[in-house]
Amino acid sequence: AQKVTQAQTEISVVEKEDVTLDCVYETRDTTYYLFWYKQPPSGELVFLIRRNSFDEQNEISGRYSWNFQKSTSSFNFTITASQVVDSAVYFCALRGYTNTPLVFGKGTRLSVIA
Amino acid sequence: DTGVSQDPRHKITKRGQNVTFRCDPISEHNRLYWYRQTLGQGPEFLTYFQNEAQLEKSRLLSDRFSAERPKGSFSTLEIQRTEQGDSAMYLCASSPPRQGNTGELFFGEGSRLTVL
Repeated sequence: AQKVTQAQTEISVVEKEDVTLDCVYETRDTTYYLFWYKQPPSGELVFLIRRNSFDEQNEISGRYSWNFQKSTSSFNFTITASQVVDSAVYFCALRGYTNTPLVFGKGTRLSVIA
Repeated sequence: DTGVSQDPRHKITKRGQNVTFRCDPISEHNRLYWYRQTLGQGPEFLTYFQNEAQLEKSRLLSDRFSAERPKGSFSTLEIQRTEQGDSAMYLCASSPPRQGNTGELFFGEGSRLTVL
């Protein structure tokens, strides 16, 4: 069975601080895919990134970076120099190789205070 | 706008009534998914279609729920004899053929159901 755990329910930071959102996953598949989605107050889930299990290279995109570590089954997300517009609920998700549905964590609500 | 479209955005109904939600996926996306999201939780998978075929259904989808995608384009999700526990946001997502197994899902803004 696939499972995603986001232990942080809510995080508040002051603008310009760096913040890391944790994600731990469980799967028996040797090939799988990890995702991060952002859900702003409007409600629409917005895709941020996908990583394949065989590619552990970390990725940076502007102020966003992702740290994938298979050894600890973690796929953490860091926002550098946070901004008020980053305030949203962030979901980590997992999909197995065998066309299983996307499984989401419970999300982390990030509040960036000006 | 060519994104995933859902209708209605918000539905308030009395317990025991039937409700139907519609989802129009992105054009040429052959896969369509329904998820349910309750307050403080992540989206939970309900069912998905590849073209008009319903390929998988979650145990969450009780016999009061039925989904269709008759022509492989738009989809409907019907809930019969609604219960208060059905109150949630119902999310629709689609994905194109090439990304069906590995790629991201494109989500609509959801249909919020409130059962009184």
